Amino acid sequence: AQSVTQLGSHVSVSEGALVLLRCNYSSSVPPYLFWYVQYPNQGLQLLLKYTSAATLVKGINGFEAEFKKSETSFHLTKPSAHMSDAAEYFCAVTTNRDDKIIFGKGTRLHILP
Amino acid sequence: KAGVTQTPRYLIKTRGQQVTLSCSPISGHRSVSWYQQTPGQGLQFLFEYFSETQRNKGNFPGRFSGRQFSNSRSEMNVSTLELGDSALYLCASSLVGGGDQETQYFGPGTRLLVL
Repeated sequence: AQSVTQLGSHVSVSEGALVLLRCNYSSSVPPYLFWYVQYPNQGLQLLLKYTSAATLVKGINGFEAEFKKSETSFHLTKPSAHMSDAAEYFCAVTTNRDDKIIFGKGTRLHILP
Repeated sequence: KAGVTQTPRYLIKTRGQQVTLSCSPISGHRSVSWYQQTPGQGLQFLFEYFSETQRNKGNFPGRFSGRQFSNSRSEMNVSTLELGDSALYLCASSLVGGGDQETQYFGPGTRLLVL
């Protein structure tokens, strides 16, 4: 079975600082990995996804994530945080043998002025 | 193209009642999945429908059920509501679903409060 672990339920960074949200996955077969963002009172929006092509994936709003098989990680980064990045972020995993997507518990990102 | 719509957006019910939530997927999408989101448990998969058939089901009691119509619109029903059913219920649509690498598009959710 697949699983996802997001380290840190809350992360605070200063505006303009690097954003790093951690995600580790467990999968016995090659995974497909996703990052979603959820703004208050809204549904989830896809930021980016890894589907076994390039290991460095660029998404919307300046975010990117790097797939590292040796570390079973798919951390999300953004060079410079903006106040509008304050939201909850979810990492998710599935495989071509699965029929549903498994989500992590989420990390709430706080941006400090 | 219109996104995924969910109705109602907010709902208040009392214990023991039942509730029906509706989801209209993006035009052309045939797969609809339902999730329950709570602060304690996070996002949990409820079930997925494709071509009017339930294709996958999560670990929820039989009080949670759903269906899909020929136009791909989906409803989920919760009977005999419990306090713990208070949550944000999210619907997501995709072209053919089945996990894989296909992107799911989420609606804004229905926030259910059980008193």
